[in-house]
Amino acid sequence: GAGVSQTPSNKVTEKGKYVELRCDPISGHTALYWYRQSLGQGPEFLIYFQGTGAADDSGLPNDRFFAVRPEGSVSTLKIQRTERGDSAVYLCASSAQGHSTDTQYFGPGTRLTVL
Amino acid sequence: DAKTTQPPSMDCAEGRAANLPCNHSTISGNEYVYWYRQIHSQGPQYIIHGLKNNETNEMASLIITEDRKSSTLILPHATLRDTAVYYCIVRVRSSGTYKYIFGTGTRLKVLA
Repeated sequence: GAGVSQTPSNKVTEKGKYVELRCDPISGHTALYWYRQSLGQGPEFLIYFQGTGAADDSGLPNDRFFAVRPEGSVSTLKIQRTERGDSAVYLCASSAQGHSTDTQYFGPGTRLTVL
Repeated sequence: DAKTTQPPSMDCAEGRAANLPCNHSTISGNEYVYWYRQIHSQGPQYIIHGLKNNETNEMASLIITEDRKSSTLILPHATLRDTAVYYCIVRVRSSGTYKYIFGTGTRLKVLA
């Protein structure tokens, strides 16, 4: 079946602008995760959704970052007043239920460049 | 902080077995070890995971030491397409969430 998809694949914006990044999880997966990957580093956890609710947003770096998942499927990561330090690849992953034996499946990521 | 330690890079000859080590000395009894790989400009791809027993699937084998403080991922017959960054991950439970804590991984280069 179809995997996790993310759009856009690349996003270039100017400092101070607002951006939205979209994630379509695997159909039927109730758990959804966002990660951020800086150059040369492993992905870092940002936020976890179980259904429509953000069960854990402890990884969001500050209040400029926000994510929603209004219908328990598609999720949008929103970044306000972007800064050059926000440049990174933003990865989305989903798993069946978020339980201890679940495996997370990752999308291809969105490469965000803030000029 | 990452709970795993991996060598930053390794080379392997095509057709030979690639053995990628990982130390996770602070792992707790109920935390799984997961392995993913990431080919340039793609998202991480799941390979295998385990808790205590050795595991094998169509991609690789995972050998976990009896004390669970380290593990080895084995690609039995490496091909050029196996060139990637390999991440050994301990999945931890924190704030009700099962999180992946990534380190910086091992950059495996398969040589022709």
